Amino acid sequence: ETGVTQTPRHLVMGMTNKKSLKCEQHLGHNAMYWYKQSAKKPLELMFVYNFKEQTENNSVPSRFSPECPNSSHLFLHLHTLQPEDSALYLCASSQAGTVQGSGYTFGSGTRLTVV
Amino acid sequence: AQSVTQPDIHITVSEGASLELRCNYSYGATPYLFWYVQSPGQGLQLLLKYFSGDTLVQGIKGFEAEFKRSQSSFNLRKPSVHWSDAAEYFCAVGSLGQGGKLIFGQGTELSVKP
Repeated sequence: ETGVTQTPRHLVMGMTNKKSLKCEQHLGHNAMYWYKQSAKKPLELMFVYNFKEQTENNSVPSRFSPECPNSSHLFLHLHTLQPEDSALYLCASSQAGTVQGSGYTFGSGTRLTVV
Repeated sequence: AQSVTQPDIHITVSEGASLELRCNYSYGATPYLFWYVQSPGQGLQLLLKYFSGDTLVQGIKGFEAEFKRSQSSFNLRKPSVHWSDAAEYFCAVGSLGQGGKLIFGQGTELSVKP
């Protein structure tokens, strides 16, 4: 149990489907992040939320839509995805703005396959 | 530009041998430095972190790292590698002024020979 829970662990979806990834943290952190990890590629930061407000969007295509209803929950809504979107999607949280809280706690990720 | 470089994409060591994974960074502010480990299909687990003070930091699983400001490096070491250490290792840098955001290196894959 890492304190950050991602569901589902695995997801297979067609290009016309709509699905959502969920991330939940019970660490009292104030910042949450979505990363994409493709095979043989570096981690790609997608979105950053601080105190429920989106503070960064790294030119992510609109077929990925994040939602942060509160500081403990983060969603990634998916629609009309492409096969190249298949990857491991990682959620992380941190206590931004504090020295000891710096650094992420990661979830185990959602392995997404787009067919 | 802020960046983290891990020069070695893949390293193979024999079980029981010592290990050093390299990490160099370019960062304008006072950096906070991290090493993470990732087993296949899993998320990243924090091994150790450096904020200030003693430049040699101890982490979990017998790992340590040394911060060398003059070389902009934060290399990870382990005196004797176990087969279970086979995984991917990521170096990361951040600071208080970046909203908590970390910049990651591209990772080093470690294989362990019996």
